[in-house]
Amino acid sequence: QVTLRESGPALVRPTETLTLTCTFSGFSLSSSGLSVNWIRQRPGKALEWLALVDGIGDKFYARGLRTRLTISRDTSKNQAVLTMTNMDPMDTATYYCARTPVTGNGGGWFDPWGQGTRVTVSS
Amino acid sequence: DIQMTQSPSSLSASVGDTVTITCRASQTIMFWLAWYQQKSDKAPKSLIYEASSLQSGVPSRFSGSGSGRDFTLTISGLQPEDFATYYCQQYNSYPITFGQGTRLEIK
Repeated sequence: QVTLRESGPALVRPTETLTLTCTFSGFSLSSSGLSVNWIRQRPGKALEWLALVDGIGDKFYARGLRTRLTISRDTSKNQAVLTMTNMDPMDTATYYCARTPVTGNGGGWFDPWGQGTRVTVSS
Repeated sequence: DIQMTQSPSSLSASVGDTVTITCRASQTIMFWLAWYQQKSDKAPKSLIYEASSLQSGVPSRFSGSGSGRDFTLTISGLQPEDFATYYCQQYNSYPITFGQGTRLEIK
């Protein structure tokens, strides 16, 4: 059974750096073809893809957030970590991690998803 | 970036109805399209991938079609648990992008 779970702070201050951890089981992120993604959803808004790390260590980012995001993987811990710098109240959202079962040239679909972690940016 | 436009943004339907949601890409994405269902305050759930492949465990009343730029999600014989928000997503090229969502409400 494949599961993913997000963890991280519920509250961050403006300008701080957010670090989120996705801990997964049921698959290895050292296998080609698989990847782990971070996706967020601001309150009342649509889903927004943020970043992907695949089984060979390649990384891809949302264009408008590229300079603020870093994704990494720790295959020994079965984790994928996302850092986002210079947090702003507009970054208040629920952050999800999700697996891509088959990663092609443009990524892939997301299944399954973690339950999400809500992050509020406020002073 | 490839823009994904869903229509309608919302619709009302009754149990037993058949509904269709449309997703249009700003450029061709072949068949690299997925559909998701999201219920309030829950994580999205995968329904369809590669435009028409049904995710394991998803009821057969859900179906997807299309290729190129135009895609549809059809729900045949709506059930009470189907009232939710639906999103399309392209993975033809990075960055991965989603549609704005279609809210399906009970009439």
